[in-house]
Amino acid sequence: LAKTTQPISMDSYEGQEVNITCSHNNIATNDYITWYQQFPSQGPRFIIQGYKTKVTNEVASLFIPADRKSSTLSLPRVSLSDTAVYYCLVGADNAGNMLTFGGGTRLMVKP
Amino acid sequence: EPEVTQTPSHQVTQMGQEVILRCVPISNHLYFYWYRQILGQKVEFLVSFYNNEISEKSEIFDDQFSVERPDGSNFTLKIRSTKLEDSAMYFCASSDEGGLPRGSYEQYFGPGTRLTVT
Repeated sequence: LAKTTQPISMDSYEGQEVNITCSHNNIATNDYITWYQQFPSQGPRFIIQGYKTKVTNEVASLFIPADRKSSTLSLPRVSLSDTAVYYCLVGADNAGNMLTFGGGTRLMVKP
Repeated sequence: EPEVTQTPSHQVTQMGQEVILRCVPISNHLYFYWYRQILGQKVEFLVSFYNNEISEKSEIFDDQFSVERPDGSNFTLKIRSTKLEDSAMYFCASSDEGGLPRGSYEQYFGPGTRLTVT
């Protein structure tokens, strides 16, 4: 199971672009990279998933370099409501597909 | 948009009592999960369930825990004899895919049940 490393916390201001980078040096060939968001007292919510290069949806973009040893979640023009914990997850332990959450990055968006 | 629901939102129980946490997964999903999150700590996997049997469980999921899908819609987590350290937020999740390649799926989480053991 690939270990992930991401910053413990980040601060930003409303309207700014936020980039959160996750390191996963021992990612396996078949592993996908997935990001979840969690607001206080709520369950995690899927944001985006990718395998390589760039993926974009209505919420975020995910940039994955060719070696796939890291990934960057990009949130354009954040608002106060984007204040949450963001988790980078890689692959799954086995065919049971359990999710292994790390500590995540606590993003604080200030006015 | 379909969603996972959980009841109750908050359960208070005394140590040694049995509790049942209930979940209604998204209707066409085939894989079901329970996770827990102790206050201020990481989300931890407990168990996954597919085709009416446990497909994977963590070390946390000991003999005090059991899961059941009693009918076509509910998915329950039972704790037989609660301990103080079982106090946590319990999240149910479901997904419509569970196979390889690993991680290429999305799990939908419910809002959680806050369990307080006194």
